[in-house]
Amino acid sequence: GAGVSQSPSNKVTEKGKDVELRCDPISGHTALYWYRQSLGQGLEFLIYFQGNSAPDKSGLPSDRFSAERTGGSVSTLTIQRTQQEDSAVYLCASSLDPGARSETQYFGPGTRLLVL
Amino acid sequence: GNSVTQMEGPVTLSEEAFLTINCTYTATGYPSLFWYVQYPGEGLQLLLKATKADDKGSNKGFEATYRKETTSFHLEKGSVQVSDSAVYFCALKYSGAGSYQLTFGKGTKLSVIP
Repeated sequence: GAGVSQSPSNKVTEKGKDVELRCDPISGHTALYWYRQSLGQGLEFLIYFQGNSAPDKSGLPSDRFSAERTGGSVSTLTIQRTQQEDSAVYLCASSLDPGARSETQYFGPGTRLLVL
Repeated sequence: GNSVTQMEGPVTLSEEAFLTINCTYTATGYPSLFWYVQYPGEGLQLLLKATKADDKGSNKGFEATYRKETTSFHLEKGSVQVSDSAVYFCALKYSGAGSYQLTFGKGTKLSVIP
């Protein structure tokens, strides 16, 4: 596609429910990243995929957070038993050559998650 | 670890004023440096970047120079416009041990008034 797309754009859920957030990267981009943007913490890295593998999961805040990527394309971020502190904008980014110093990560519009 | 510190906002300027947003970094290695911008209601987009010392990134009238001696990457524009109103994020990428994440500063909100 023309850019990174994410769905849903907004999600309201109740505390304790599970949510799934989807990311469609730019076609041909092998690297995919998830970040979280919140008022208190700014922009934080969550996880990085190269193809279908996740060599860097160091930013996932707890074991309630997981992500997968299939077919080297679409990725899903799952949050189980959501808590109010999970409320944030979840951003996805993709890139063509993550090892290059000049690599540009292209960001999607984000999913705004509100946990009541 | 790696970190980015940028000046706190918000910053309010009159149209055609000079803009500087300070950014300094701490990194264990030799990072690449970026400025991203988030316009109201839009996603994050790359504004400019620099990959080695003394490199100058530039785009849309904005400039930033990679200063290794002062570990800084300050963003400047000579004459801001109302359309420059946005949140600006300084970021670094250190490609060590297969980790390619961006580390961001907290962001600086710029408002330009006519």
